[in-house]
Amino acid sequence: DVKVTQSSRYLVKRTGEKVFLECVQDMDHENMFWYRQDPGLGLRLIYFSYDVKMKEKGDIPEGYSVSREKKERFSLILESASTNQTSMYLCASTDRGTDTQYFGPGTRLTVL
Amino acid sequence: QQQVKQSPQSLIVQKGGISIINCAYENTAFDYFPWYQQFPGKGPALLIAIRPDVSEKKEGRFTISFNKSAKQFSLHIMDSQPGDSATYFCAASLRSGGYQKVTFGTGTKLQVIP
Repeated sequence: DVKVTQSSRYLVKRTGEKVFLECVQDMDHENMFWYRQDPGLGLRLIYFSYDVKMKEKGDIPEGYSVSREKKERFSLILESASTNQTSMYLCASTDRGTDTQYFGPGTRLTVL
Repeated sequence: QQQVKQSPQSLIVQKGGISIINCAYENTAFDYFPWYQQFPGKGPALLIAIRPDVSEKKEGRFTISFNKSAKQFSLHIMDSQPGDSATYFCAASLRSGGYQKVTFGTGTKLQVIP
């Protein structure tokens, strides 16, 4: 069974703080993704990575950066958190050449 | 911007009824159309998927109907059960190198009442 884990289920941060969200997958997948989920907007792609140290911007990268130093781990970084980044953050992974995305349980981030 | 439009936003169905969720897309280059199911407190999980060379795919009580010319596809849940209560996302994706870039719909919250 593919397992994607995220470091925190709930996180509360203050405006201006640097925030790290961690994601780990145990199936040796090449591709990893970060989405944010907001009511009425669905899932929107922030960044993705198709290999170690490689990254590509998604549809809404502004205010975010990512890091992938190891194949199994993909980190999302909010350099200076703002209230409009309050959201549910979902990490996903896929194997090269396959189509199914495997999601983690999500991190609900609140920025005060 | 590539878009996938999903309706309705929410749906209440009686137990045993048929739930229908509709999606429309614009980009004819999309080559894979999955539906994901998300229960509260969980991440989305793949429910069923179809490719554009097929007009219908059925897995148990779940069926995707696909209309390529109209650029529309829909999810039908037959004999809906309270355990089907969840949020459903349609999606469309296209392959770029070794990965699929996925565009999700806005989601439909389904409630099946006894």
